[in-house]
Amino acid sequence: EAQVTQNPRYLITVTGKKLTVTCSQNMNHEYMSWYRQDPGLGLRQIYYSMNVEVTDKGDVPEGYKVSRKEKRNFPLILESPSPNQTSLYFCASSMDRGVSSPLHFGNGTRLTVT
Amino acid sequence: AQSVTQLGSHVSVSEGALVLLRCNYSSSVPPYLFWYVQYPNQGLQLLLKYTSAATLVKGINGFEAEFKKSETSFHLTKPSAHMSDAAEYFCAVSDYGNKLVFGAGTILRVKS
Repeated sequence: EAQVTQNPRYLITVTGKKLTVTCSQNMNHEYMSWYRQDPGLGLRQIYYSMNVEVTDKGDVPEGYKVSRKEKRNFPLILESPSPNQTSLYFCASSMDRGVSSPLHFGNGTRLTVT
Repeated sequence: AQSVTQLGSHVSVSEGALVLLRCNYSSSVPPYLFWYVQYPNQGLQLLLKYTSAATLVKGINGFEAEFKKSETSFHLTKPSAHMSDAAEYFCAVSDYGNKLVFGAGTILRVKS
């Protein structure tokens, strides 16, 4: 089954404790992206990647890191999480390097930072 | 830069009534426009996409949207609401770049 898999689904952590949210897609997609969803703000892009070893900042990249060492994986790293990073996170992928192709989303990771 | 405005953060309709969710966009070039739906505890799923082939776009689950350039709108409609349509709906716009901008979302409630 074609899918984007995120782990974990739920994560509670404390301020400053490094964490990684994994994302993997099995569709051989070129483009991958991370979004955060906050009430009343919709989805805002954190980082995106157009291909292996190519990543770029989105609208809200501060406090986040990503890597794209393999085509299928695009982990999101929070080196020193803070409470304002409490949010619902989505990984997404699409076939094309642009955004004319629809995005396929994972089921989300709800992160709470205390 | 492109932007999206969804009018109404919450919309409530009766089962069987018309669904109308409003979306207005700004873009310096003819855009790609999308509607996505998010059911509880799930990621977003594509409902439909406009890519300049036709102004009236039909999507899944009986939804459709009409692109009106003069009004810079891309409103989502469904003639008859079903209980299973209750979800959050997002309009999104892209101007051929690598960026997709989402609206704030509209939560649709369907009353029995």
